[in-house]
Parts: sequence; structure tokens; C-alpha cells
Amino acid sequence: LAKTTQPISMDSYEGQEVNITCSHNNIATNDYITWYQQFPSQGPRFIIQGYKTKVTNEVASLFIPADRKSSTLSLPRVSLSDTAVYYCLVGGYGSSNTGKLIFGQGTTLQVKP
Amino acid sequence: NAGVTQTPKFQVLKTGQSMTLQCAQDMNHEYMSWYRQDPGMGLRLIHYSVGAGITDQGEVPNGYNVSRSTTEDFPLRLLSAAPSQTSVYFCASSYGLRVADTQYFGPGTRLTVL
Repeated sequence: LAKTTQPISMDSYEGQEVNITCSHNNIATNDYITWYQQFPSQGPRFIIQGYKTKVTNEVASLFIPADRKSSTLSLPRVSLSDTAVYYCLVGGYGSSNTGKLIFGQGTTLQVKP
Repeated sequence: NAGVTQTPKFQVLKTGQSMTLQCAQDMNHEYMSWYRQDPGMGLRLIHYSVGAGITDQGEVPNGYNVSRSTTEDFPLRLLSAAPSQTSVYFCASSYGLRVADTQYFGPGTRLTVL
């Protein structure tokens, strides 16, 4: 699996846009980039997945440059309720990923009033 | 549907006791897994199953047993609890067992071993 690197923590204020970058230099051709969000005392939940360029849903946007060696999760106008840990995972639908879903430490986002 | 459910939500054990953490899903997912999460750390995979009757070890399997007799249920057994097993345990399920397949997590069981 591609190794990922993301900041351990970030602070923001309500109403600001937050961008969390994940580095994945050895991403494979068939790999997707998937982000999960984990609120305190809850299990992680899927928020967005992309392969290239830009993906947007009701929660976030995911920007992936042409070389795909990094990706940026963008949270528009955050609120206190966006305080959570955000995990970046890189991997595909190939059999080599079987049973090896590994979550790292993620990025702890603290939104302040 | 209820998604992934876990019971109990909280549990306190004494060293040496055994117990079973229950996990059930109603989404007809083939793949189910158990993770533990310690303070300030990410999730670590304990065991997983790719279907009824098939299980395999993850990153930290020692001290835990699993079985998968039905598609819906995937219990995790602690054989002889130790303080090092104090953690929050999450069960997850998905249609597939690949990184790109969306994982659905339960609410977690917070276990304390004294």
C-alpha cells in the first residue's frame, strides 16, 4: 500500500476554509484516495474518495493534482462540529490490498469559536 | 437499516476474565473487521473476515479470537483480559476487502481492564 503522510494536527476558526494535505509519493496507477472523518467517541465514517482532478460532495472537496503524489481535503466554512480526526488512505481495488486497510494517526482538526 | 451495531458500549473487566464483544451488520456485507484504537493513535486491525466461515489475522491479533458463523455477526472474544487490552474497539463492514471499498464502522465498545 502507498505510504501516506499528513499533519498530526491543525487549528482553525469557525467560518474559515480548512485544507488538509496528504502526501502519497508512491501512489500506484490503480490507487484511489479516500478520506474518513472520526468524531470523538465515534467510529470513522467515509467522507470522500477520488482518483484524479477534483471531487466535491455535500461535506467536502478533494483536490488531486495531475501527478497524484498528494491530495488536499478542503472543508468549506468549518464549524465547531467539524472538530474531528481526518484520515487519508490510499489504495485501490486490486487484490494486493486484501485485508490490509491500515489507518494511521490522521490529522486532528480543532475548530475554535 | 441499523448499519453496524456493537454491544456493549462500555465494559469493565478484571485481569484474567474473558468476554465477547458483539458486532452485527444488516447490509449483507461480506467483509467484516475488528479494530482497536488507543489514545492518540490510529486504528489497528485485529482480525478480519472475508465471509462466513473465513477469518484471518490483522496487525495485532494476540489475545483475541474471532469466528464468523453467519454473514451478519462477527464476535470478538477476549480469552484472558489484560490491562494492555484497555482500548476502544470498533467493528467495521464493507462490500469488499480492498482499501478503496467504503468501510462502515460501528459506534465502538470502550473496554477497561483493571
